[in-house]
Amino acid sequence: NAGVTQTPKFQVLKTGQSMTLQCAQDMNHEYMSWYRQDPGMGLRLIHYSVGAGITDQGEVPNGYNVSRSTTEDFPLRLLSAAPSQTSVYFCASSPINRDTEAFFGQGTRLTVV
Amino acid sequence: AQSVTQLGSHVSVSEGALVLLRCNYSSSVPPYLFWYVQYPNQGLQLLLKYTTGATLVKGINGFEAEFKKSETSFHLTKPSAHMSDAAEYFCAVSEGKADKLIFGTGTRLQVFP
Repeated sequence: NAGVTQTPKFQVLKTGQSMTLQCAQDMNHEYMSWYRQDPGMGLRLIHYSVGAGITDQGEVPNGYNVSRSTTEDFPLRLLSAAPSQTSVYFCASSPINRDTEAFFGQGTRLTVV
Repeated sequence: AQSVTQLGSHVSVSEGALVLLRCNYSSSVPPYLFWYVQYPNQGLQLLLKYTTGATLVKGINGFEAEFKKSETSFHLTKPSAHMSDAAEYFCAVSEGKADKLIFGTGTRLQVFP
């Protein structure tokens, strides 16, 4: 079972460059989300989606865009990368019902220089 | 608003000793509580979760946690630490689904021989 797949695993960007972090899940989960992990700060929610065509902002959305055209995919776009966006990014998915858990991808380590 | 506090960013124990990782939460609604583990350069794996019902929750790898509403706590314990338990542990809370998780800042567990 593939679960939640994130690509790439590592990326180095120059300040001002743009890129898209890919996330795909094969579990037919309605809910998908993006978190960033920074030392001493745990994971913070960037954006989330409750289904195709529906997205909303989390705790730290500035500098990031998302879209959800299919149930399976939830890409995260950095329009103009900044050093403050150096972080490890995790995508997660879960079914929208009670008594369940979020499934996480392996993460993308992004460095902005 | 919900929040999670993990006391102690680093915990060190000897192999075979009791593991106790502390987590306190705040929530205006009955919380769903989770413990996740992250091994180096890996994603997050669910250890255990509390949703409703029994307040003592057993998880994988011999871990368990007890939901104490009066103390707003959900501490993680393991009677006997193993070297393979060395990892970072995150406590998280949600309003009732596995989405929109609010994470604590994490506790890094070191296990010494």
